Amino acid sequence: EAQVTQNPRYLITVTGKKLTVTCSQNMNHEYMSWYRQDPGLGLRQIYYSMNVEVTDKGDVPEGYKVSRKEKRNFPLILESPSPNQTSLYFCASSLVTGQEKLFFGSGTQLSVL
Amino acid sequence: AQTVTQSQPEMSVQEAETVTLSCTYDTSESNYYLFWYKQPPSRQMILVIRQEAYKQQNATENRFSVNFQKAAKSFSLKISDSQLGDTAMYFCAFIPSGAGSYQLTFGKGTKLSVIP
Repeated sequence: EAQVTQNPRYLITVTGKKLTVTCSQNMNHEYMSWYRQDPGLGLRQIYYSMNVEVTDKGDVPEGYKVSRKEKRNFPLILESPSPNQTSLYFCASSLVTGQEKLFFGSGTQLSVL
Repeated sequence: AQTVTQSQPEMSVQEAETVTLSCTYDTSESNYYLFWYKQPPSRQMILVIRQEAYKQQNATENRFSVNFQKAAKSFSLKISDSQLGDTAMYFCAFIPSGAGSYQLTFGKGTKLSVIP
């Protein structure tokens, strides 16, 4: 089954404790991206990647890191989480450029205390 | 930078009726893609419809259709014969089609409630 797998679904952590949210797709997509969703703000793009070792900033990259060492994986790293990073996070992928249909993961609800 | 505006934070519609969700955008690009995504209470994001700006014909998918007015930079979604399963957040999104710019911009969303 074609899918984007995102883990964990829920995460509670404390300020400053490094964490990684994993994202993996099995469709051989080139484009992958991360979004955060906050009430009243919609979805905002954090980072995107056009292919292995090619990443670029979205609208809200501060406080986040990404890497694309393999085509299928695109982890989101919070080196020193802060309470303002409490949010619902989505990973998504599409065939080439993000101009096609996006396939989304099931989301990660992150709470930073 | 592109902006996407959804001016209706919440809407409601009676089952079987028709509702229109509005979306406007601001861009200097001449070619781009527009999307409507649906997020039901399960929080899964689902593509409803996709429109290519250079295509004059409005996209349709079953009960969902768009009214794309390029000059007015407007991209509204019409849902006909509304069903209870249409209750969801709806997000409008924009991405340029030119090479080198692959940043996707979403609106803030419209929460639609379908009333039995």
